[in-house]
Amino acid sequence: QQQVKQSPQSLIVQKGGISIINCAYENTAFDYFPWYQQFPGKGPALLIAIRPDVSEKKEGRFTISFNKSAKQFSLHIMDSQPGDSATYFCAATHNNNDMRFGAGTRLTVKP
Amino acid sequence: DTGVSQDPRHKITKRGQNVTFRCDPISEHNRLYWYRQTLGQGPEFLTYFQNEAQLEKSRLLSDRFSAERPKGSFSTLEIQRTEQGDSAMYLCASSFPGTRTDTQYFGPGTRLTVL
Repeated sequence: QQQVKQSPQSLIVQKGGISIINCAYENTAFDYFPWYQQFPGKGPALLIAIRPDVSEKKEGRFTISFNKSAKQFSLHIMDSQPGDSATYFCAATHNNNDMRFGAGTRLTVKP
Repeated sequence: DTGVSQDPRHKITKRGQNVTFRCDPISEHNRLYWYRQTLGQGPEFLTYFQNEAQLEKSRLLSDRFSAERPKGSFSTLEIQRTEQGDSAMYLCASSFPGTRTDTQYFGPGTRLTVL
């Protein structure tokens, strides 16, 4: 079912550093690309999302970069904090029907 | 709390038993989704409803699984004759399509353990 490939599987970053997670998709019909943050035992929480008509979206310390021609998008977390330690999922959907998720990236931010 | 709620949060059952989970979406949301998440993986789509109509079902949704949303509000997901492979987190999400920011908002999930 997976149509979204995510990397890396795990990431360790020092406090204050930049965390970068990458995703690639196959289906050009996808029109909405959210990122979710998930803590152990909790449901995924929407972090930030982008549509393919823009190349970048920034909300606070979180930025999505989107490359439509390459069918790739990435999440940048600036000034990473220990509280950002969680699993991050990229996702993609068409008309907000079934959402296809990446396999996840476990981020650890060391103090 | 106006978010998506799910009940129960945890369910332990023996193989062969039937289980039912409930999801209450955000009140104005007319779409409701069910996903399954196994350890270390991203959520996988199972099915979704628009109001009371079930519009799409994944191949993952075998004939032992059935979902309903009888009045277009809450939904139930039933698994009959549970198997150990059904052990997973079952997530519910809701959305309000047709808006620029329609997004699927997830509940806390129901963790199922089949012994």
